[in-house]
Amino acid sequence: EAGVVQSPRYKIIEKKQPVAFWCNPISGHNTLYWYLQNLGQGPELLIRYENEEAVDDSQLPKDRFSAERLKGVDSTLKIQPAELGDSAVYLCASSDPTRGPGTQYFGPGTRLLVL
Amino acid sequence: GESVGLHLPTLSVQEGDNSIINCAYSNSASDYFIWYKQESGKGPQFIIDIRSNMDKRQGQRVTVLLNKTVKHLSLQIAATQPGDSAVYFCAENGGSQGNLIFGKGTKLSVKP
Repeated sequence: EAGVVQSPRYKIIEKKQPVAFWCNPISGHNTLYWYLQNLGQGPELLIRYENEEAVDDSQLPKDRFSAERLKGVDSTLKIQPAELGDSAVYLCASSDPTRGPGTQYFGPGTRLLVL
Repeated sequence: GESVGLHLPTLSVQEGDNSIINCAYSNSASDYFIWYKQESGKGPQFIIDIRSNMDKRQGQRVTVLLNKTVKHLSLQIAATQPGDSAVYFCAENGGSQGNLIFGKGTKLSVKP
């Protein structure tokens, strides 16, 4: 079974530039999460999707961050414009809700560096 | 506020010894707890979970203990191996809508 796929794995941009991250969850997982992880810290939830609906985006900084999951499968997270403090790892995860929130399968993440 | 924390940021053990990683949580409404392992350059990987109606749960070489009285969670790894070297996170479902809140992580280093 293929795991959660994320791309790109690494991204270096200058501040004020836009950036986008892509995630393809495990087939059949209708719940998709985007997390932000700073160095040495645990992941922090940005947004959670149930199919194509964003059911919790309370932690997403909506002035610069946006996300979409148009067909309820893969998802894109965008930052525009990026700031120095956005440098972090952006993790995508998916789960089968019938198995509980703990059984989230994480992708390898996209490591973003904003210069 | 809601928080999940770890008592020790780093832990170094000898190969073959047992490891104990501790975690404190503050949201008494949390009823589900998980331990994740994260190796360098990878996403967190589920290890074991426990619900609040249990005090102990065992897996392969791992045991999770839950003490609801003092809001404490621990992960025990038996016969620690070099492949166990990673950062370990505890998480609780104490966030809004049952979302997971992760702790800060403990780095486990296994000396051969």
